[in-house]
Amino acid sequence: GAVVSQHPSRVICKSGTSVKIECRSLDFQATTMFWYRQFPKQSLMLMATSNEGSKATYEQGVEKDKFLINHASLTLSTLTVTSAHPEDSSFYICSAKTQGQSYEQYFGPGTRLTVT
Amino acid sequence: KQEVTQIPAALSVPEGENLVLNCSFTDSAIYNLQWFRQDPGKGLTSLLLIQSSQREQTSGRLNASLDKSSGRSTLYIAASQPGDSATYLCAVRFTGGFKTIFGAGTRLFVKA
Repeated sequence: GAVVSQHPSRVICKSGTSVKIECRSLDFQATTMFWYRQFPKQSLMLMATSNEGSKATYEQGVEKDKFLINHASLTLSTLTVTSAHPEDSSFYICSAKTQGQSYEQYFGPGTRLTVT
Repeated sequence: KQEVTQIPAALSVPEGENLVLNCSFTDSAIYNLQWFRQDPGKGLTSLLLIQSSQREQTSGRLNASLDKSSGRSTLYIAASQPGDSATYLCAVRFTGGFKTIFGAGTRLFVKA
């Protein structure tokens, strides 16, 4: 089956630093990747959609300069949280889909970010 | 304000029962609606996606319907099994400003 991995699974960083999260599709080419965040005991929030080779499309209210998304290849997308603050602490999840599939997204296991 | 509400928040049913999960949204100008399930420790799975022009979608024992005019979608699960136990999320993509909003989810427990 289609597998999506995320690295790291957990990261702790100091306030003011930047942290990069990787999302990889291991056995398929992902033309589109999605980035979500989930606050404790709350539902998901879609942050942005990225298509390989083009700029990400950010959802309303998501700061594109703070959450940098790069989808440089068909198997890799990265999310960089710049100048992280404690309020950025969250669970970040990526998903990937291939071209042509109407709805099937394959989700990564998520990355727990804690900013101290 | 665009909102997505899921009722009930939690549901417990005996195995074999047919059940319906509800999702309501406040703005009928939607692009699509999607249902997901979230399993603790296993992550998320996409289940069904209904485009705004569609009335329903089916996958196996799952059937999702969409009524834009009343701002409602239902996810029907036939012959429930313990393996169906999970949190079910609906997500609505609104056309105004293109924003996707998730409901808080319905936690389903199917008793063997």
